[in-house]
This record gives sequence, C-alpha cells and structure tokens, in this order.
Amino acid sequence: SQTIHQWPATLVQPVGSPLSLECTVEGTSNPNLYWYRQAAGRGLQLLFYSVGIGQISSEVPQNLSASRPQDRQFILSSKKLLLSDSGFYLCAWSVSLNNEQFFGPGTRLTVL
Amino acid sequence: SQQGEEDPQALSIQEGENATMNCSYKTSINNLQWYRQNSGRGLVHLILIRSNEREKHSGRLRVTLDTSKKSSSLLITASRAADTASYFCAPKTSYDKVIFGPGTSLSVIP
Repeated sequence: SQTIHQWPATLVQPVGSPLSLECTVEGTSNPNLYWYRQAAGRGLQLLFYSVGIGQISSEVPQNLSASRPQDRQFILSSKKLLLSDSGFYLCAWSVSLNNEQFFGPGTRLTVL
Repeated sequence: SQQGEEDPQALSIQEGENATMNCSYKTSINNLQWYRQNSGRGLVHLILIRSNEREKHSGRLRVTLDTSKKSSSLLITASRAADTASYFCAPKTSYDKVIFGPGTSLSVIP
C-alpha cells in the first residue's frame, strides 16, 4: 500500500531563516506531487505541483521554491522566511492529475 | 483549473441529524471529488463522482451531481460527533490540477 510522509510535524523558525520541508511517498511510482499551504481556518492554497522528476509548476509567486530530486521526494524550501510564511503545509500525491489526492499529515510552521 | 465553492461556510447540527453541504462550480468537469479534514490533519478523500454519474453512496455518505446546474451535494446521514470536520469539494477538469475551495466547517454537537 502507498504511504506519504512529511517532516517535521511542527517547526518554529525566526524571520529570515531558511526552510526545508520534506515529503516522501512510498509504494507507488511516478506520482504527481503537490504542496499546499493552509492559513488558520481557511482553505488550501496550491503552491507547487510536479508531474515528474525535475518538473515543477509554480502556482503563486512567493518566497518559496520546490524541488523534486527523486521520483518520490518533494521538497519545499525558502532562503529567507517571512512572517507571512506561517501556516500549515500539506503534501499530497495522486496517480494522475485526474485522480483523487492522498495527503500527508502536514507540517505546522510558525515564523516568529 | 477551477475552484469549487462550498455552501454553507459553516454548519452546526445535533448528533443524529443529517448534514447537507453544497458545491458549485463554473465549467465542465471530468469528475468531482469530496474531501474531509479533521482539525490539524491532512485531507482525506471521501468520494469521487464522475461527470456521467448522478449519485454515489459510501456508507453514510451520499453525493449527488447535477452537471446542468454545475452543482454537487454531500449528504451525511445520522451524523456523529466524529463527523465534525471541514469538508471540501474539488471539481476536476481533464488533465488539470485540483483547486480546493474554502470548505464547509461542520460541527456535530453530541
């Protein structure tokens, strides 16, 4: 069966510090991968998605970047965090863009 | 890509009652998906209904789709306190990414 992992679960970082959140999927090959951010009490904002290694589509201009160094690994990064980067970050995968998505447990990021 | 709009934004019911949430969208779709999110957790996929289907059931969940009205509804029967969560619809056009709406926040009071 397929599983998706995210770490860390929670993170508190000072403004201006770098960020690296990691997401890995097990039990499937060539998944579509997604990064979302969710502000408190709000819906999900799609940040990036990837249909293959090295293929990243950015949805919203922002202070973040994403990379897919391996087939089942998706990394969300920032060189310098802003206060507005605080939120709940969710990684998800799907077999194709047309299929249902399976979400990881999320990372709660607080930027102080 | 298009975003579904859920209605109402918030719903509070007593345990045992039925809960109905609606979703509207704007363009033709390939399928429509419903997800649930418990507080502080990731989303969980509930049901996918294809554009050529009108109704689908899964346990206490019933989803309808009216493509002529570009709308869908999610009915939870005999609600339980554990159904308290946010519910999101995600209309899917072919080969396009899902865009989630703001969701419906459901509170089931014991």
